[in-house]
Amino acid sequence: DAGVTQSPTHLIKTRGQQVTLRCSPKSGHDTVSWYQQALGQGPQFIFQYYEEEERQRGNFPDRFSGHQFPNYSSELNVNALLLGDSALYLCASRPRRDSAYQETQYFGPGTRLLVL
Amino acid sequence: AQSVAQPEDQVNVAEGNPLTVKCTYSVSGNPYLFWYVQYPNRGLQFLLKYITGDNLVKGSYGFEAEFNKSQTSFHLKKPSALVSDSALYFCAVRGPSGAGSYQLTFGKGTKLSVIP
Repeated sequence: DAGVTQSPTHLIKTRGQQVTLRCSPKSGHDTVSWYQQALGQGPQFIFQYYEEEERQRGNFPDRFSGHQFPNYSSELNVNALLLGDSALYLCASRPRRDSAYQETQYFGPGTRLLVL
Repeated sequence: AQSVAQPEDQVNVAEGNPLTVKCTYSVSGNPYLFWYVQYPNRGLQFLLKYITGDNLVKGSYGFEAEFNKSQTSFHLKKPSALVSDSALYFCAVRGPSGAGSYQLTFGKGTKLSVIP
């Protein structure tokens, strides 16, 4: 049973460019959340998707957008990249609502983004 | 707003000795509390959670945590530390079930070093 997978593992971009990160949730999970982890910090919540809609959003600008597909996979898009967007981007998925373990989010290995 | 504090940036412990990593939280209503571990250049691995029930929660790799409602704490413990336990540990909180409540708020992390 594959866990949460993310691609690519590493990415280098320049300021002003746009980037798309991808996430496939763990089997049986339908809810995907994205987090940004800056160096030396804890992860910060960006947004969460369920039933192909953004359900909740953290304190991130509109440059950060996302999408969820019918197979529950998700994309995170960041436009007009800034140096401060350099971070590890983590995707987390959660079991279906009727699961007894619905409260636990499982994280992928992350995508390391470097903006030059 | 919910928050988590991990008062120690780093904890050093000798192999075989008991370890404690501290966490305090602030949230409206009953908390959902989690501990995750992060190894270098890796994502977050789930260790344990408190949702309801016994205040002492047992998790993976011999870790346990004690929920103390009066002190709003959820300290992570292990009776005998291993060198392989050396990693970055994150405490996280989620508010009670309801619209928009699935966001996890993380502490800044505590680096645990187990000395041989």
